[in-house]
Amino acid sequence: DAMVIQNPRYQVTQFGKPVTLSCSQTLNHNVMYWYQQKSSQAPKLLFHYYDKDFNNEADTPDNFQSRRPNTSFCFLDIRSPGLGDAAMYLCATEGLYNEQFFGPGTRLTVL
Amino acid sequence: AQSVTQLDSQVPVFEEAPVELRCNYSSSVSVYLFWYVQYPNQGLQLLLKYLSGSTLVKGINGFEAEFNKSQTSFHLRKPSVHISDTAEYFCAVSAYNTDKLIFGTGTRLQVFP
Repeated sequence: DAMVIQNPRYQVTQFGKPVTLSCSQTLNHNVMYWYQQKSSQAPKLLFHYYDKDFNNEADTPDNFQSRRPNTSFCFLDIRSPGLGDAAMYLCATEGLYNEQFFGPGTRLTVL
Repeated sequence: AQSVTQLDSQVPVFEEAPVELRCNYSSSVSVYLFWYVQYPNQGLQLLLKYLSGSTLVKGINGFEAEFNKSQTSFHLRKPSVHISDTAEYFCAVSAYNTDKLIFGTGTRLQVFP
């Protein structure tokens, strides 16, 4: 089945230790998104790609970076995680009518 | 700009009872409308979408929603809920000319036996 895959599902890192979260998709969609979701809140958009064109949200901290080496893969890098970065990170792709298809998420814990 | 208001943060209901989760939106341009469901420690799953045409939209798991343009609403309904419907539900809008989804704050549906 075509899908959005995120690895790992659970990630534990130490305060200040860089971490990379991965996302891949078999839907062949041009647009990919990274969201941060904290407990009992709606997802918050960090960035999105239209193909390789990178779009950063104005309030996304510089601590967060992203890479998209090809259509299928997208990475979220957190350069120096703080306690406030503990959250669920969701990757999504976009279909024909702006509907988004989400991966299962990576839950990040910062110790 | 678009905005979404989900009027109820929590909706408790007994199993087999009907439920309605309310969503109102604001936009100066035409929009697509969506409902997503999120189970604990999972990503969001698309329940249904309104693009155009018939105002009553049927989705997965027995859910349906009705688009009301005059009231700028897109309420989600299910005639008989199950324990397994316990989850967080997000309403979202997207303008035709943008790639972004604007989410509501979510409604926690809690189904009791």
